[in-house]
Amino acid sequence: GENVEQHPSTLSVQEGDSAVIKCTYSDSASNYFPWYKQELGKGPQLIIDIRSNVGEKKDQRIAVTLNKTAKHFSLHITETQPEDSAVYFCAAGGYQTQGGSEKLVFGKGTKLTVNP
Amino acid sequence: IAGITQAPTSQILAAGRRMTLRCTQDMRHNAMYWYRQDLGLGLRLIHYSNTAGTTGKGEVPDGYSVSRANTDDFPLTLASAVPSQTSVYFCASSVLRETGELFFGEGSRLTVL
Repeated sequence: GENVEQHPSTLSVQEGDSAVIKCTYSDSASNYFPWYKQELGKGPQLIIDIRSNVGEKKDQRIAVTLNKTAKHFSLHITETQPEDSAVYFCAAGGYQTQGGSEKLVFGKGTKLTVNP
Repeated sequence: IAGITQAPTSQILAAGRRMTLRCTQDMRHNAMYWYRQDLGLGLRLIHYSNTAGTTGKGEVPDGYSVSRANTDDFPLTLASAVPSQTSVYFCASSVLRETGELFFGEGSRLTVL
């Protein structure tokens, strides 16, 4: 089955700096790669996702890049703000044209702290 | 719009007791999921249901059972709780189509003593 490795487990940056979180996956059939943000005491919330027919996707200050050959994808947050402080999870899976998300496997998470 | 509602928010339970965590959604999503979150282990899928009347096992199903009698409700039952089931449990839902966004509840923190 799929195995997702996420690094680093903790990341501390100064406000205004960039943050990068990296994930690798093992199953070459995976074709969907979402990123979730979890604030303290809340459930995870999708912030951006990418499918395997795209190499990069941007949404304001966040971007995700995907390298299918190397089986890795990364989350980039630019101009970080204190409200970006949270735990971020990557996930990999999919490969079903009809089906649910039960094949998604999550990374272990990265705790990002943005210092004012 | 409430989205996903989980209950209880928090519970302390004696080992060996039976416990049901409740999950209700008002988005009419076909698929629902139960995850457990443990420090350093991320989110792991316990059970899922793609439509009412069907369920499936996830990565860590042992000691848990689920039912899906209707679209909106997806309870998770621990028949005889053990300390290793101490965790934060998240219910989620998604539209049943090409894999897409999961909508999570706020979580239920369960402590088994």
